[in-house]
Amino acid sequence: ETGVTQTPRHLVMGMTNKKSLKCEQHLGHNAMYWYKQSAKKPLELMFVYNFKEQTENNSVPSRFSPECPNSSHLFLHLHTLQPEDSALYLCASSQDGRETQYFGPGTRLLVL
Amino acid sequence: QQQVKQSPQSLIVQKGGISIINCAYENTAFDYFPWYQQFPGKGPALLIAIRPDVSEKKEGRFTISFNKSAKQFSLHIMDSQPGDSATYFCAASEDSSYKLIFGSGTRLLVRP
Repeated sequence: ETGVTQTPRHLVMGMTNKKSLKCEQHLGHNAMYWYKQSAKKPLELMFVYNFKEQTENNSVPSRFSPECPNSSHLFLHLHTLQPEDSALYLCASSQDGRETQYFGPGTRLLVL
Repeated sequence: QQQVKQSPQSLIVQKGGISIINCAYENTAFDYFPWYQQFPGKGPALLIAIRPDVSEKKEGRFTISFNKSAKQFSLHIMDSQPGDSATYFCAASEDSSYKLIFGSGTRLLVRP
């Protein structure tokens, strides 16, 4: 699991705040993913980046803005979130779309 | 069409018993079926995966059974141990896609 790191591990923010989640993978992979994990719901894929290019945006509201400056780093910029956005946000990486996805430990987000 | 249905939602098994988790899918284009294991405070980790060219795959105490005609696959944990207590997710994806579709998860508790 140390192959994919996420910071911060916990975040509390108000609805008017702007914050960013960071993900870094040390596995030499070319694809990176953001997932949302809510209680009693399946993991929801939010965004996919392949070689820094966004290949998937799973109808995510614009208050979530991803950024992938290189194949090792992925950010999720958050602004004007809603309480229902409170969840565990997981980052993952893989060598390509058909290979195993390796997940980070997640950022537990609480929106007040 | 994209959904993966997982059952049961929770499962309690005595130490040494067999744990069985089932998943069903509709999309016949799915051709990769992984199972992920998630411990509290951690991200999901790949446990075992199967492709439709085989009906069964075994790795240690973990076995995937795959029924292509019924569009179902299941995870069997033999000789279940308290350390197996975790949440298990099935998933599926298509050859050409980076998109993993996850089931809703099964919380397994193995009693000593």
